[in-house]
Amino acid sequence: EAGVAQSPRYKIIEKRQSVAFWCNPISGHATLYWYQQILGQGPKLLIQFQNNGVVDDSQLPKDRFSAERLKGVDSTLKIQPAKLEDSAVYLCASSLVLGVAEAFFGQGTRLTVV
Amino acid sequence: SQQGEEDPQALSIQEGENATMNCSYKTSINNLQWYRQNSGRGLVHLILIRSNEREKHSGRLRVTLDTSKKSSSLLITASRAADTASYFCATIGGPGTASKLTFGTGTRLQVTL
Repeated sequence: EAGVAQSPRYKIIEKRQSVAFWCNPISGHATLYWYQQILGQGPKLLIQFQNNGVVDDSQLPKDRFSAERLKGVDSTLKIQPAKLEDSAVYLCASSLVLGVAEAFFGQGTRLTVV
Repeated sequence: SQQGEEDPQALSIQEGENATMNCSYKTSINNLQWYRQNSGRGLVHLILIRSNEREKHSGRLRVTLDTSKKSSSLLITASRAADTASYFCATIGGPGTASKLTFGTGTRLQVTL
């Protein structure tokens, strides 16, 4: 089966610019996650969707980050405006069933803010 | 915030030796999972253990879970150079936690020939 697709793979922007990441989960997976992973650290959960509803976004910096999952399938994560500390890898993952199944990860988008 | 903390932060062993890494977490869980991350294949799920299980095996992997101590361990037997990677524990929260999948800080494993 096809895995989780993310694009772009790499992005370099200047601070205060905006950027968007796209994720297409595995077909049929109801749960979708966005993580931020800073070099040398574990992935930090930004937002978790169940179908097109938000389950948790407690660690999403809502003043600059936004995410949506229209029609309960693919999702976009946006940063506006970007800061230097947003430089990280942004990982998307999906899971068949909320809370009981493993997550499958995409290859991630490496963002560099200069 | 990180739910789990892995110990040690880094581990270096020779091929053929066993590698043990530990994970401690803070709140009640539904299940605990271990993932591996290397530059070639990204983040990959290894094994899932439910809160009512104490031990689980998969190939050269053995996972234990002690919910009374809020800790888990991952044992890799007869390690290979290809096992070189970072290993993360991740927990699915129990009741009242929105079933968040939260990762720990990771253990970097280096297996040398």
